[in-house]
Amino acid sequence: RKEVEQDPGPFNVPEGATVAFNCTYSNSASQSFFWYRQDCRKEPKLLMSVYSSGNEDGRFTAQLNRASQYISLLIRDSKLSDSATYLCVVNPFGDQFYFGTGTSLTVIP
Amino acid sequence: GAGVSQSPSNKVTEKGKDVELRCDPISGHTALYWYRQSLGQGLEFLIYFQGNSAPDKSGLPSDRFSAERTGGSVSTLTIQRTQQEDSAVYLCASSLEGAGEAFFGQGTRLTVV
Repeated sequence: RKEVEQDPGPFNVPEGATVAFNCTYSNSASQSFFWYRQDCRKEPKLLMSVYSSGNEDGRFTAQLNRASQYISLLIRDSKLSDSATYLCVVNPFGDQFYFGTGTSLTVIP
Repeated sequence: GAGVSQSPSNKVTEKGKDVELRCDPISGHTALYWYRQSLGQGLEFLIYFQGNSAPDKSGLPSDRFSAERTGGSVSTLTIQRTQQEDSAVYLCASSLEGAGEAFFGQGTRLTVV
């Protein structure tokens, strides 16, 4: 079983829409969770960390559900510039990062 | 430097040749990671270093692949007798003791012809 699993999409949404991505992780003892963004032919960059209490950064909200072992990312009021691949990342033991395969988002004018 | 630096940025090599890829992590970062990404695919874990030690080499795809890290800083990934299926972008990342955010370099795009 993979450490992290994501729906690869693609998600095609109109500008202004709200879109949500989920990912599941296999290790119940995992402590650190992140969402990264990767633009075409670029390296991944941190979008936001995911805290137990949930956290929000502008139009982006990340949540953690430990009981069901999933994390989510909600993007409100989608912009064209949000088009990218969103990677779910788990660091179970504070040593190694496990990446999901990514969810592709295209925001359409 | 301010970020993770990888060299070369692009490498074209003939099948059967050896190549060496270099990664300079952020100063003070003890954890260093190598990943591989084929076109349109996700990140494939290759190897992880904590200091100069590699606790997990399970991701190296074959014995043609090796990596080392010296002085707790620079790391090199060596691919011997390259094959066409080795063509990919090789990404290096570093973090503080394996916790917190992992910062990526811009990658080395390897093409085996």
